[in-house]
Amino acid sequence: DSGVTQTPKHLITATGQRVTLRCSPRSGDLSVYWYQQSLDQGLQFLIQYYNGEERAKGNILERFSAQQFPDLHSELNLSSLELGDSALYFCASSVFVGRRTGELFFGEGSRLTVL
Amino acid sequence: AQSVTQLGSHVSVSEGALVLLRCNYSSSVPPYLFWYVQYPNQGLQLLLKYTSAATLVKGINGFEAEFKKSETSFHLTKPSAHMSDAAEYFCAVSAVGSQGNLIFGKGTKLSVKP
Repeated sequence: DSGVTQTPKHLITATGQRVTLRCSPRSGDLSVYWYQQSLDQGLQFLIQYYNGEERAKGNILERFSAQQFPDLHSELNLSSLELGDSALYFCASSVFVGRRTGELFFGEGSRLTVL
Repeated sequence: AQSVTQLGSHVSVSEGALVLLRCNYSSSVPPYLFWYVQYPNQGLQLLLKYTSAATLVKGINGFEAEFKKSETSFHLTKPSAHMSDAAEYFCAVSAVGSQGNLIFGKGTKLSVKP
């Protein structure tokens, strides 16, 4: 158990809909990362927050947004869903920001299926 | 820009045989490199990491990896495979100017035959 909690574990929805994925980082970790894992693209970095502020952005679509709340949990919002958004979405956390040597601790992921 | 290439999307070995999973990297700065393992229906777990100290890095579950700058490689090995090693393995490099995020390879699925 990494200590990172993600909900829901599975989600099935229709095209055009909006969903919210939730992540609670490990106790004491200030930095949260979101990744998307799909068969064709592999693991893609989406976005990172540190103590409530956006710190780095990766391949995140404009239809997707995220935020980190004062209690440090984070939410990833996916809107106008398309079939291609079906993927496993991972949240990871770490203590530090700006440290290239740091380890990321991953949750078990939220599997999104768009029909 | 940083990138990671994992050679072989699937590797199959017999129980007790040597495990060798290949990873080559591209980096404009001295890299920091990681191997993660993903078991079915689970998240990623760190096996080991190279952060510019010893070039031979030992990790959990008997795995180790050797950083070879001249070959831009960071291959993962284990002398004797166990059935419980069956999983997907990801090599990753820390991004330049990174705030801590990692760039992952596409993964190698390891199967272990009895």
